[in-house]
Amino acid sequence: QQQVKQSPQSLIVQKGGISIINCAYENTAFDYFPWYQQFPGKGPALLIAIRPDVSEKKEGRFTISFNKSAKQFSLHIMDSQPGDSATYFCAASKGGSEKLVFGKGTKLTVNP
Amino acid sequence: DAGVIQSPRHEVTEMGQEVTLRCKPISGHNSLFWYRQTMMRGLELLIYFNNNVPIDDSGMPEDRFSAKMPNASFSTLKIQPSEPRDSAVYFCASSQTRGGGGEQFFGPGTRLTVL
Repeated sequence: QQQVKQSPQSLIVQKGGISIINCAYENTAFDYFPWYQQFPGKGPALLIAIRPDVSEKKEGRFTISFNKSAKQFSLHIMDSQPGDSATYFCAASKGGSEKLVFGKGTKLTVNP
Repeated sequence: DAGVIQSPRHEVTEMGQEVTLRCKPISGHNSLFWYRQTMMRGLELLIYFNNNVPIDDSGMPEDRFSAKMPNASFSTLKIQPSEPRDSAVYFCASSQTRGGGGEQFFGPGTRLTVL
């Protein structure tokens, strides 16, 4: 059972454009939603995270939008740069648990 | 801090051989996670420890896989006997337990190839 569904699988964006990656979850007990960024040959690294008490969180060019009623959250990358080219994973965890459930990942390519 | 350290970085072995992957978590972190990453299945949690005790091993695929954490600074993931379908990148991650929602710090991974 895939608890976190991520789309699209791959995304190509021009430099300066907006990249949008979506995730949907099933378990209403989830209360922590991070996004991880992974470059080739490296381990994933935390990019930004949100809890369901807010609908949006912004850090620089990266924004998480959260829709609790729809059980969806998304990552927006504004002014996308070639250096943003990486694989992005959404994830979720339940209250009190350290265990993260990851989406399948989105490979983002930003063309110069 | 040097971050999470994994060894070896690459391992090539033949089917049936025993494979041992090693991990040193970040000092002071009390949760440790082993993940497996493949193109088909993505990033899967195999097992995680809290204060050296296994908390959830539901992701361990079968009895051929075992993991230990004898102390706060060292963990191993063993596959015996190995099979070609075990070929993947294995990541170790650590975090400070916060009752949920803590940042996990990943190591560089071990790329395992079983021939």
